[in-house]
Amino acid sequence: GESVGLHLPTLSVQEGDNSIINCAYSNSASDYFIWYKQESGKGPQFIIDIRSNMDKRQGQRVTVLLNKTVKHLSLQIAATQPGDSAVYFCAENIGDKIIFGKGTRLHILP
Amino acid sequence: DAGVIQSPRHEVTEMGQEVTLRCKPISGHNSLFWYRQTMMRGLELLIYFNNNVPIDDSGMPEDRFSAKMPNASFSTLKIQPSEPRDSAVYFCASSLGAGTSGVGELFFGEGSRLTVL
Repeated sequence: GESVGLHLPTLSVQEGDNSIINCAYSNSASDYFIWYKQESGKGPQFIIDIRSNMDKRQGQRVTVLLNKTVKHLSLQIAATQPGDSAVYFCAENIGDKIIFGKGTRLHILP
Repeated sequence: DAGVIQSPRHEVTEMGQEVTLRCKPISGHNSLFWYRQTMMRGLELLIYFNNNVPIDDSGMPEDRFSAKMPNASFSTLKIQPSEPRDSAVYFCASSLGAGTSGVGELFFGEGSRLTVL
């Protein structure tokens, strides 16, 4: 079965609001997690990562939260913009592999 | 840097034909990954290489699929014979390398969209 998955396939957010994309993982051995953004017709692009010894990491307009107790990961995007429209994947690094979840499509409402 | 370069961007072929997809990783990157993306299965890891050596090909769906990395700057993914169910977008990605801290950031190419009729 798949180790990494997402709760919602599509998320619609009003422009200017904050977006929260969630992800559940099942492999307790995972020690490194990454969020990728994929725009239409392009390959996935790295957004932000977090190691298992942290529970929060912030970037520019993005924050990743890690809850190891319940094996949950989230990506928060502040002040969502039209350019944030994409599919977002969480991924986990297990040894030499990076395994991706199925993705959540973020749709921005005007 | 030009990034990861894949070719062809689009390929349409008939069932039974051989398909070869090509990838040039970012110079200096030691790890290379082939992924397949479909609506049903998402992004699946097919195979990856470290320092040109195949490490794990457990994601390769069948013997019809093979991958090579003859040198640090080139890799191929071959499907022979191709079938309609192989239709997907195939991505190549590279990273600086694996280690005790993990693979790190993957840099993806723009993908090769394969349609098998």
